[in-house]
Amino acid sequence: AQSVTQPDIHITVSEGASLELRCNYSYGATPYLFWYVQSPGQGLQLLLKYFSGDTLVQGIKGFEAEFKRSQSSFNLRKPSVHWSDAAEYFCAVALGDSNYQLIWGAGTKLIIKP
Amino acid sequence: GAGVSQSPSNKVTEKGKDVELRCDPISGHTALYWYRQSLGQGLEFLIYFQGNSAPDKSGLPSDRFSAERTGGSVSTLTIQRTQQEDSAVYLCASSLWAGSYNEQFFGPGTRLTVL
Repeated sequence: AQSVTQPDIHITVSEGASLELRCNYSYGATPYLFWYVQSPGQGLQLLLKYFSGDTLVQGIKGFEAEFKRSQSSFNLRKPSVHWSDAAEYFCAVALGDSNYQLIWGAGTKLIIKP
Repeated sequence: GAGVSQSPSNKVTEKGKDVELRCDPISGHTALYWYRQSLGQGLEFLIYFQGNSAPDKSGLPSDRFSAERTGGSVSTLTIQRTQQEDSAVYLCASSLWAGSYNEQFFGPGTRLTVL
């Protein structure tokens, strides 16, 4: 069965430090890949997505993610985090354009140290 | 409206009671989705609508769960005879059309607590 794994439940980084959040998926073909952020009291917001083409994708709020087919990974990165980045981050995959269902990872909670 | 809205934001109910959760999608969005988010879990797909039709209800966890959408707009998720395991945050999302190319916009959710 298809699955999405986010191996880190919590990550703590200092403000201004770099960030990498891991996401691995299990699927035979290349899925459509997404990163969402859920801030306290707010709805989920799409950060970025990958469908095809350049494997390094840029998103909002200074985030980027790199698709690595050989590793079945789609890790999220940011060069310098801000206190406002504290939130929960979810990786999700869709198994094709006509497949409306998103399969979600369990999320990674990002904590920012002042 | 400006975004997806859901009501109520919080609902506490007693085991065995029925509850209705409401979702108002973004105006003009034809697709609407319901998800459930349990503590420490990712989102679990429940059902989606294209217009007023629900092509796939297979994500609904039991026959106590049902959903409808009227006028291609507002949707209601109903849980009958609630159980404690139904406690979760119920999220609604909408998109222009169903399909992965169309970004799903999420509401803030309804937190359901079954005592």
